[in-house]
Amino acid sequence: GENVEQHPSTLSVQEGDSAVIKCTYSDSASNYFPWYKQELGKRPQLIIDIRSNVGEKKDQRIAVTLNKTAKHFSLHITETQPEDSAVYFCAASGSGGKLIFGQGTELSVKP
Amino acid sequence: DVKVTQSSRYLVKRTGEKVFLECVQDMDHENMFWYRQDPGLGLRLIYFSYDVKMKEKGDIPEGYSVSREKKERFSLILESASTNQTSMYLCASSRDAYEQYFGPGTRLTVT
Repeated sequence: GENVEQHPSTLSVQEGDSAVIKCTYSDSASNYFPWYKQELGKRPQLIIDIRSNVGEKKDQRIAVTLNKTAKHFSLHITETQPEDSAVYFCAASGSGGKLIFGQGTELSVKP
Repeated sequence: DVKVTQSSRYLVKRTGEKVFLECVQDMDHENMFWYRQDPGLGLRLIYFSYDVKMKEKGDIPEGYSVSREKKERFSLILESASTNQTSMYLCASSRDAYEQYFGPGTRLTVT
């Protein structure tokens, strides 16, 4: 069935370091890959997304890379700041317009 | 600005009660979704709807039903609440098969 695996489940970095979160997906028909950030007590919000016709997308300190052959994609955050601390979810588009979410990564940025 | 609202932030119900969770969106989105969020399991899709009076089962529909009588409103129903349905419930809406906008969530406790 459709599945998205996300690693690591927790990640702790020092302020200023980079953070990388990785996801793999099972459905070769997936063509849309969003990343959501959920701060404590708040709703998930889209921070960046990528479609299958590009291999990389960047927005300031955040970038996402996609390898369709290997069916994996990654979120890269550079120069991390304490306000980057949150739970991050990756997702892949599934059949019928659904999104299949990964299990989440709790990122902690220590000042 | 897209707004998705949910009827309650916190809800406490007894085992066996019938529970209604309401979700309203104000952007005329065709698609609406109900997820359940549990630590370490990510966001799991319960039901979704592409149009009024249409519904599709997600990954974990057992014990739940839904109703969509109007385009802007999507209700999740727990026919007979059980303790294993204690969770955070998130509603989302989207115009197409891409970005989903989430509500603030309802934390349901079943005792």
